[in-house]
Amino acid sequence: EVQLVESGGGLVQPGGSLRLSCAASGFTFSNYNMNWVRQAPGKGLEWVSYISSSSTTIYYADSVKGRFTISRDNAKNSLYLQMNSLRAEDTAVYYCAREPGGFDIWGQGTMVTVSS
Amino acid sequence: QAVLTQPASLSASPGASASLTCTLRSGINVGTYRIYWYQQKPGSPPQWLLRYKSDSDKLQGSGVPSRFSGSKDASANAGILLISGLQSEDEADYYCKIWHSSAWVFGGGTKLTVL
Repeated sequence: EVQLVESGGGLVQPGGSLRLSCAASGFTFSNYNMNWVRQAPGKGLEWVSYISSSSTTIYYADSVKGRFTISRDNAKNSLYLQMNSLRAEDTAVYYCAREPGGFDIWGQGTMVTVSS
Repeated sequence: QAVLTQPASLSASPGASASLTCTLRSGINVGTYRIYWYQQKPGSPPQWLLRYKSDSDKLQGSGVPSRFSGSKDASANAGILLISGLQSEDEADYYCKIWHSSAWVFGGGTKLTVL
């Protein structure tokens, strides 16, 4: 079964850090570009970051640039998002998504809450 | 002004058709973009429905019924998701997306109510 499973979410204080992971299975992970997308409670979707299949190309949304770092380990079939200097407005469900243009496979998401 | 603008809500009756619009900001030509559409139901991740640029450049998501289709209205600078033969299960939030200036951009979403 083609699957993405996120982990690493939780409650963190403003200014803190968190590392999200996304474990892929059921497909050749190294062949696909990957993305992180977030959704604040009751709000719409917001794209966060993109990484190409070989990690040669990376993009970030302006809202997270300089604070978040996307990476991947194709040998471990895993995608990561290192989040530093977290703010209240980063509170959201974070999804990883596989991309062949359309985001055709999504994980169930992991909740990140930034609050004191 | 947002890159992509979607109406916040839309209502339609079962069996009818619904046309969901995604308007691109002035200065961004809809004709040059592939527009992706997603459906999201409460408590679930989004599901990719389709991609549309033109009748010769379009792609339906795997398992997505043909009653979901894409088009464009060049005069309105908008992408359109047409859902025909509406069913109660189509009640959901719908998002459009484009690749613009080295970033994926989502519209704000339209909540479709089928009643």
